[in-house]
This record gives sequence, structure tokens and C-alpha cells, in this order.
Amino acid sequence: DGGITQSPKYLFRKEGQNVTLSCEQNLNHDAMYWYRQDPGQGLRLIYYSQIVNDFQKGDIAEGYSVSREKKESFPLTVTSAQKNPTAFYLCASSLLVGHNTGELFFGEGSRLTVL
Amino acid sequence: GQNIDQPTEMTATEGAIVQINCTYQTSGFNGLFWYQQHAGEAPTFLSYNVLDGLEEKGRFSSFLSRSKGYSYLLLKELQMKDSASYLCAEMDSNYQLIWGAGTKLIIKP
Repeated sequence: DGGITQSPKYLFRKEGQNVTLSCEQNLNHDAMYWYRQDPGQGLRLIYYSQIVNDFQKGDIAEGYSVSREKKESFPLTVTSAQKNPTAFYLCASSLLVGHNTGELFFGEGSRLTVL
Repeated sequence: GQNIDQPTEMTATEGAIVQINCTYQTSGFNGLFWYQQHAGEAPTFLSYNVLDGLEEKGRFSSFLSRSKGYSYLLLKELQMKDSASYLCAEMDSNYQLIWGAGTKLIIKP
């Protein structure tokens, strides 16, 4: 079945450590996104990519890094520079706007807790 | 501005009807989305409106008024499984989504 897969679902990190969250999709979508969700706030865009080997900063990119070496994969690294990394991270994909409405398909999320 | 406003929490009774409002303020507009998110899970797409009027999809309907910067999601014949957060999101002039904080809907028997 086509879908978008995030791993791990739960992750604990010590302060000062970098962690990488995986996101893979087999929907043949061009665009992929990383969002952060905190209680009482809307989803906030970290990074997005519309094509392989290209990505753009979102509203809260500081302390994060991404790569898009393959169409199917868009991993997110939470670096030690991110001051408040404990959050629920959501990866999403979509066909490029103009091809459809831009509906997002989300992975199940990764909950990162910094100890 | 790019503020998306929706109520924080609403309570309704099983079998009843509930309307969740969303207002947005932006100079560029390319559509309004509603997503459903159960606790601890990923959001799932419910509806997309780009023209004024009501779009009906089973028990769920979504309405848009572009001149008023206003949308609502109408849920009929509420079921316990409808207990979730409902996220309103506007697609701006750059085709990026601006998200509201979500409305937590509590369904009581």
C-alpha cells in the first residue's frame, strides 16, 4: 500500500546529541515537508522540498537540517543547536500544487523527548 | 497578517450537530483546508474549499466565504469517534499552509 512512513515513533535524546528522524514515502510525491507540533499551537513548518537535491527553510529552521538525495526520502536532523527540541514531529508529502489541491499526506509522527 | 483563529475547545453530544469556525486574515489566498487529528496521531485530510459556498461530504460539510475570511466545518450525526482535534489551514499566496492551533472537539454520550 502507498503511504508515508516515519521512524522512530518515539525517541529520547540527551542534551547535546544530534538525532535524525526518518521519513520515507512511496506515493511518488514531489514535495515533502517537516512540521513541528507543540501543544496549543498550529503546525509550524521546519523545512520543505519540492524536488530532489533542493530544499527550503520554513518558519523555524534554526537548529534543524535536512537532505533530499532521493525522491522517496527526506530525513530531518535535530541538532544540538535546537534549544527546545522536545516536540511531536510530522513529515508530510504532496503532489506539487498546480497538479492538484496540494493536499498533504502525513506520516504517523515522531515524538522526540530530550532528557 | 497571517492569523488563523479557531476555538480552542468545543463540547457536543453524540447524535447532535456541531459547527467549528475558522477565520483567517491574509492578503493572498489559495484555498482553505480542514484536517482531523486524533490524539497522538497524524492529521488526515477532510476538505478543501477555494470557492465560496458549501461543500458536502457525507456527515461532514465545509463552508467558505472569501470576502469575510471565514470558514466553518459542520459535523452532523456526531459519533464518539469524531472526538478529535480539527485543524484549519489556509494556503497562502506562496502555496504554503498556515495552520490554526486546532479545535479540540469532545463528544459526550
